[in-house]
Amino acid sequence: AQKITQTQPGMFVQEKEAVTLDCTYDTSDPSYGLFWYKQPSSGEMIFLIYQGSYDQQNATEGRYSLNFQKARKSANLVISASQLGDSAMYFCAMREARSNDYKLSFGAGTTVTVRA
Amino acid sequence: EPEVTQTPSHQVTQMGQEVILRCVPISNHLYFYWYRQILGQKVEFLVSFYNNEISEKSEIFDDQFSVERPDGSNFTLKIRSTKLEDSAMYFCASSPGPPNTEAFFGQGTRLTVV
Repeated sequence: AQKITQTQPGMFVQEKEAVTLDCTYDTSDPSYGLFWYKQPSSGEMIFLIYQGSYDQQNATEGRYSLNFQKARKSANLVISASQLGDSAMYFCAMREARSNDYKLSFGAGTTVTVRA
Repeated sequence: EPEVTQTPSHQVTQMGQEVILRCVPISNHLYFYWYRQILGQKVEFLVSFYNNEISEKSEIFDDQFSVERPDGSNFTLKIRSTKLEDSAMYFCASSPGPPNTEAFFGQGTRLTVV
């Protein structure tokens, strides 16, 4: 079964607007972490933001915020004030505490294209 | 800022040849990983390494693959007898371990098997 589901293969957003990238997850582990990574066309994986399952508040990092809805098992990424440099593939990932090695399970990714 | 470095950035190899992908994790990290991303697809876990041994491996990580940490700083992935379907981007990552379990990724090695 898929642990991470990203249902939007691609999205277009106008520069300076906000965009929300969907991510739902599946786990029975009460302790887990959720991550978002950005992969530009150059290929590297860039860590953006982290949300722990016990965190009371939604995580924020600059223009990135995570809309964490635990009951719905969703962890959507919001990018505010989009910039041309935000054009990239975005991956949602999860780490379960019962995984002793803290490995990540990734979603299929969402390609974001920012239009001028 | 410390970073994970991988070499080479791109490797082309003949089918059937052996390749070694190299990684230098962040020095005080305890957990090391290899992930694979076939072009246009999701990132897949291959193997994790902790305390000088494999911690977990996926079904992809068969006898064709091996990992080593030969000298306390390098972390290598060896692929024996490469196949066309091994063509992918291979990412090394490291993590300091609890309580901070963020994984830091290298820039990747793009392997092309011809």
